[in-house]
Amino acid sequence: GQQLNQSPQSMFIQEGEDVSMNCTSSSIFNTWLWYKQEPGEGPVLLIALYKAGELTSNGRLTAQFGITRKDSFLNISASIPSDVGIYFCAGRKSTNAGKSTFGDGTTLTVKP
Amino acid sequence: GAVVSQHPSRVICKSGTSVKIECRSLDFQATTMFWYRQFPKKSLMLMATSNEGSKATYEQGVEKDKFLINHASLTLSTLTVTSAHPEDSSFYICSAPGQGADEAFFGQGTRLTVV
Repeated sequence: GQQLNQSPQSMFIQEGEDVSMNCTSSSIFNTWLWYKQEPGEGPVLLIALYKAGELTSNGRLTAQFGITRKDSFLNISASIPSDVGIYFCAGRKSTNAGKSTFGDGTTLTVKP
Repeated sequence: GAVVSQHPSRVICKSGTSVKIECRSLDFQATTMFWYRQFPKKSLMLMATSNEGSKATYEQGVEKDKFLINHASLTLSTLTVTSAHPEDSSFYICSAPGQGADEAFFGQGTRLTVV
C-alpha cells in the first residue's frame, strides 16, 4: 500500500532553534497536510498544501509541497517549549474522497 | 472553527463486552467521517470510512463484524468494538472533512483499555 517516510523520527532541540522535518513517498499525492498531536489528543491541522511547489506559512511554521508531488517539508522557526508534540505529515490523493495516508510522525522535544 | 467531538475520551471494559464510541460534528454536517486507530508512538491507521445513510467502507484487514460503524445522521457516526479483547486496546480517533475538502478536523480521541 501507500507509504509515507517521515524523518527524523525524533528531535531534541534547544528553545530558539529552527526545526526541519520532511516526508517522502514513492507515490504522488495531490494534497499534503501537516498535523500536530499532543498527548491524549487528536491531531490538529497546521498547514494544508494543494499545489506542487506551493510554499505556505502559518506563523512560525512554513511548509512546502515538493515539485515532484512526492515530498513535503515542514520548518518551525525559533522553537518554543509549546512546540513540543508529534508532527505528522499526511498525503491525500484527490480520488480518495478525503482519505489520507499518514507518516509515522516526528516527535519534537524542546528544551527551555 | 469547526469542531468534532468524540465521546467517551477514556473507557475501560471487560473482555467480551462491546463498547460504543461516538463522533459528532458540532457545527457542520459531515456526510463522511473517518475512523482511525493509533498505537502508542505510532501513526494513525485508517480503519474505515463512515458514510451517512449507507454502509461503511473498511480498509483491508479490518474486520467489519468486529468494528461496527453506523452513520445514522449528518452529525453523528458511531464505532462499536464488539466482543472486545485486550488486543483491541488502543487510541481510536475520528475525523470529518471540513470546508475546502480538508480532512482537517479530528475528534479528541478515545483511549480504550480492555481488561
